[in-house]
Amino acid sequence: EDQVTQSPEALRLQEGESSSLNCSYTVSGLRGLFWYRQDPGKGPEFLFTLYSAGEEKEKERLKATLTKKESFLHITAPKPEDSATYLCAVQGTTLTDSWGKLQFGAGTQVVVTP
Amino acid sequence: DAGVIQSPRHEVTEMGQEVTLRCKPISGHNSLFWYRQTMMRGLELLIYFNNNVPIDDSGMPEDRFSAKMPNASFSTLKIQPSEPRDSAVYFCASSLERTTLNTEAFFGQGTRLTVV
Repeated sequence: EDQVTQSPEALRLQEGESSSLNCSYTVSGLRGLFWYRQDPGKGPEFLFTLYSAGEEKEKERLKATLTKKESFLHITAPKPEDSATYLCAVQGTTLTDSWGKLQFGAGTQVVVTP
Repeated sequence: DAGVIQSPRHEVTEMGQEVTLRCKPISGHNSLFWYRQTMMRGLELLIYFNNNVPIDDSGMPEDRFSAKMPNASFSTLKIQPSEPRDSAVYFCASSLERTTLNTEAFFGQGTRLTVV
């Protein structure tokens, strides 16, 4: 069974203090690894999809990287508006499964203070 | 596009009552997903549809839960009878999936269900 473990559970940062979130996964074969951002009272908002080890994607202050066993979400010089819960999810290699059939991690709650 | 639209946003009901959650996916998307989020279990997939047909309902917790998708623009998730342990936030998501193109799943704002 696919498993996704995120760490840390919570992270408190000063504005401008860069850090990284970890997502470790166990799947029979990875079709895609997804990062979502979730604000309180809202649905998850898509950030990135990574398909293969070595791949990197960037969006503003966020950069996602992927290895064969884990993914990192790097937050560079964060601002208070980056405060949110960041969710990692995997889609395994059951080819008949839908692309949207995701196994989510528990998330990392990030708080950035001014 | 307005995105995935769910209604109601909040629902409070008494144990034993029937609850119906509604979802309108993004126009043109052909896959629809119902997820449930709780503090204890996080986000879990309940069921998904492709081209209005239920493909995998293995995540549906028990027979009290049922889902339908009568057409490409509407889906319902029904709980009958409801129990306090069903209290959670229920999300609907949709995506476009074709042989040569897949989009990520876009989520609605969710329905917060409280069963007392």
